[in-house]
Amino acid sequence: GQQVMQIPQYQHVQEGEDFTTYCNSSTTLSNIQWYKQRPGGHPVFLIQLVKSGEVKKQKRLTFQFGEAKKNSSLHITATQTTDVGTYFCAGGNSGYALNFGKGTSLLVTP
Amino acid sequence: SAVISQKPSRDICQRGTSLTIQCQVDSQVTMMFWYRQQPGQSLTLIATANQGSEATYESGFVIDKFPISRPNLTFSTLTVSNMSPEDSSIYLCSVEEGFFGPGTRLTVL
Repeated sequence: GQQVMQIPQYQHVQEGEDFTTYCNSSTTLSNIQWYKQRPGGHPVFLIQLVKSGEVKKQKRLTFQFGEAKKNSSLHITATQTTDVGTYFCAGGNSGYALNFGKGTSLLVTP
Repeated sequence: SAVISQKPSRDICQRGTSLTIQCQVDSQVTMMFWYRQQPGQSLTLIATANQGSEATYESGFVIDKFPISRPNLTFSTLTVSNMSPEDSSIYLCSVEEGFFGPGTRLTVL
């Protein structure tokens, strides 16, 4: 079955440093979604990427979908303490449930 | 975007009992999903619930343990049966667009 691997598992940065998490699927995906989960909260949808090679930006966050639609990355520029949480990628196929990566927990210290 | 509510938001239950979790969506959706998130872990799909048919369960999850109802296009329930401490998790419902309910935090003593 489809497997989604995500690295790193943890990342600790100083405020202002950049952060990147990577996601790789064992199979070609229809789409990939990214979620953020704050401690004690539920996953909150950030974005969905559908097209091969797609790049989307949300303020300091940049999301990429690989040309083969098997990998993706989330890059945060100049992290802030509000960026703390766990970031999950989830591989999707149209109409079906999501296959989540294990997540990357980001800790940002001032 | 869909707005999803779940009840209860949290519960503490005794071993051997059952708990039914409700999920309500503010619009009609074809597919609803139930996930489990064990402490410190990622989300694992339990089953897919379509209206008018039996739920489809993922490997490792069975209907006797996690019976699901889907009586209409805006509502679903998940029951966690004969609970043990290993069932302590957050249970989340979701719809096909990737929106999640707030989750039900279950602790089994």
